[in-house]
Amino acid sequence: DIQMTQSPSSLSASVGDRVTITCRASQTISNYLNWYQQKPGKAPKLLIYAASSLQSGVPSRFSGSGSGTDFTLTISSLQPEDFATYFCQQSYSTPFTFGQGTKLEIK
Amino acid sequence: QLQLQESGPGLVKPSETLSLTCTVSGGSISSSSYYWGWIRQPPGKGLEWIGSIYYSGSTNYNPSLKSRVTTSVDTSKNQFSLKLSSVTAADTAIYYCVRSTGGRFDPWGQGTLVTVSS
Repeated sequence: DIQMTQSPSSLSASVGDRVTITCRASQTISNYLNWYQQKPGKAPKLLIYAASSLQSGVPSRFSGSGSGTDFTLTISSLQPEDFATYFCQQSYSTPFTFGQGTKLEIK
Repeated sequence: QLQLQESGPGLVKPSETLSLTCTVSGGSISSSSYYWGWIRQPPGKGLEWIGSIYYSGSTNYNPSLKSRVTTSVDTSKNQFSLKLSSVTAADTAIYYCVRSTGGRFDPWGQGTLVTVSS
């Protein structure tokens, strides 16, 4: 199985901050990397697919980059509704696997 | 817009079989572009892909669960289903049904909590 490792596991930030979350794959996955946002009590929501493609309806302050084994999710200017948990997921090969999550909290 | 809704018992006894159904509305489960899948999340923990099924019945399962998982599709009802046998407390989780496009998951059902307890 491909292991996905996110860092940090948790992060405190303020509204307006620029935030970056990192995801590393245990082997190369090209650009088969997706990012999800999950709010408490809700299902995850797809934000970014194929490493850098913005899902329809997702604000442009979210962006993704990377290829191979190292990827980043960036939120350019945090909004109150962005405080949530973020997961990366590889779709390169089955079994599809997720990172452990990064909890973004208000400072 | 496409919506998915899980249904099934919220409580299952140890050693029994967990059974869930996902009803798809706003689109056809017979679309050739998509797989339909199941993902679970133990309370407060991470996400685990269980498996996916195509409308024709072709399946792909997580090897960690493969021996206990069965999925099926009912195109006449626009539904797909999950069965997980010989459950233990470790199978307690929120179970989500999803549409899968090239291995990315969108949209998700709201999720249903299944507790394994006697």
